[in-house]
Order: sequence, then structure tokens, then C-alpha cells
Amino acid sequence: AQSVSQHNHHVILSEAASLELGCNYSYGGTVNLFWYVQYPGQHLQLLLKYFSGDPLVKGIKGFEAEFIKSKFSFNLRKPSVQWSDTAEYFCAVTRNTGGFKTIFGAGTRLFVKA
Amino acid sequence: GAGVSQTPSNKVTEKGKYVELRCDPISGHTALYWYRQSLGQGPEFLIYFQGTGAADDSGLPNDRFFAVRPEGSVSTLKIQRTERGDSAVYLCASSAGVGGTYEQYFGPGTRLTVT
Repeated sequence: AQSVSQHNHHVILSEAASLELGCNYSYGGTVNLFWYVQYPGQHLQLLLKYFSGDPLVKGIKGFEAEFIKSKFSFNLRKPSVQWSDTAEYFCAVTRNTGGFKTIFGAGTRLFVKA
Repeated sequence: GAGVSQTPSNKVTEKGKYVELRCDPISGHTALYWYRQSLGQGPEFLIYFQGTGAADDSGLPNDRFFAVRPEGSVSTLKIQRTERGDSAVYLCASSAGVGGTYEQYFGPGTRLTVT
């Protein structure tokens, strides 16, 4: 069965520190990959997505993610975090064929100290 | 424009009761998804609709859960004989089409508490 693993459940960083959140998925077929973010008191919203082409994708607010097919990974990065990046981040996978349900990871709660 | 809306925002019910949760998707969006999010977990897929039909209901946990979308717009998630384990935030999302290339837009969720 499809699954998504996020390695860090809680991350605490100081402002200007670099961020990398790990995400691995288990599905051998073609997939679409997403990172969603939920800021305190707000809805889930899309941060970035990968469908095909360049495995390094850039999203909003300076975030980027790299798809490494051989490692079944889609790690999220940001070179310098801000206090406003405090949020919960979810990695998600959708199969490209045979049904399009989306599987989410358990989430990583990021707290950035000002 | 208007986003996805869900009503009620909070619902408290007694064990064994029946509840209905409503989702109004973004106008024109053909696909609609229901998820359940328990504390400390990511959204768990329940069901998705393409138009009026349920394209995949494999995530519904048992036959107490049922969802409809009779006119291809508003959807209702129905839970019979509620149990305490059903307590969670129920999220709805809609997208302009089906498939991973289409972004899902999420609503604020309905927090269901079964006492």
C-alpha cells in the first residue's frame, strides 16, 4: 500500500537557520508529489508540487524541494527560515494512474524562534 | 473569490447519534475530496468524487460512513451510530479536475467531537 513517511515530527530552529524536512514515499509507479503547509489558524495550502521534468521544484516563500526517484524522496528545503515559517508541513503523494487518491504524511511541526 | 466552505465548524454529538457534515466546493470544481485528520496525524483519505459519482471510496473506514454529492457540487458526509473514535477534524477539498496535476483547495474543516 501507498505510504508517506516524514522523519521529523517536531523541528525547532532559530531565524536564518537552514531547513530540510525529509519525506519518503513507498510506491513504485509514477507519482505526483506535494508539500502542503498549515499556518496557525489557517487552512492547508499548497507550498509546491512536482509532476515531471526538473526534479528541483521551487515554491512560494523561498521553499524548494528535490525529487530523487532512486531514493523515493522529496525533501523540502529553505536556506534561511523566518519566524513566519512557523507552521505544520505535510508531504503528500498522488498516484498518476489507476486512481488519484492522495496520501499524506503525518506532518512536521516547525517552530522558528525569533 | 469564495473558497471551500464547510459547515458546521464544530459539532459535538453523543455516542450513537447520526451526524451530517457539509462541504461547499469552489464553484466549477468537478472533483471533491473528504479527509479525516486526527490529532498529530496528517489528513487521511476517505473518499473522492468526480462529478456526482464516488470515484474512490476505499478510505471510508466502515459502513457507518457514507458520502453523497447528488448534483455534482455540494457534498455531505454522513456518519451513523457515531463512536468516540470518530472524533477528528473532517476536511474537504476541491479541485478543477481529477489527477495529481490539479491542486486541491482545502476548507477549514469540521471538528467533530463524540462524547
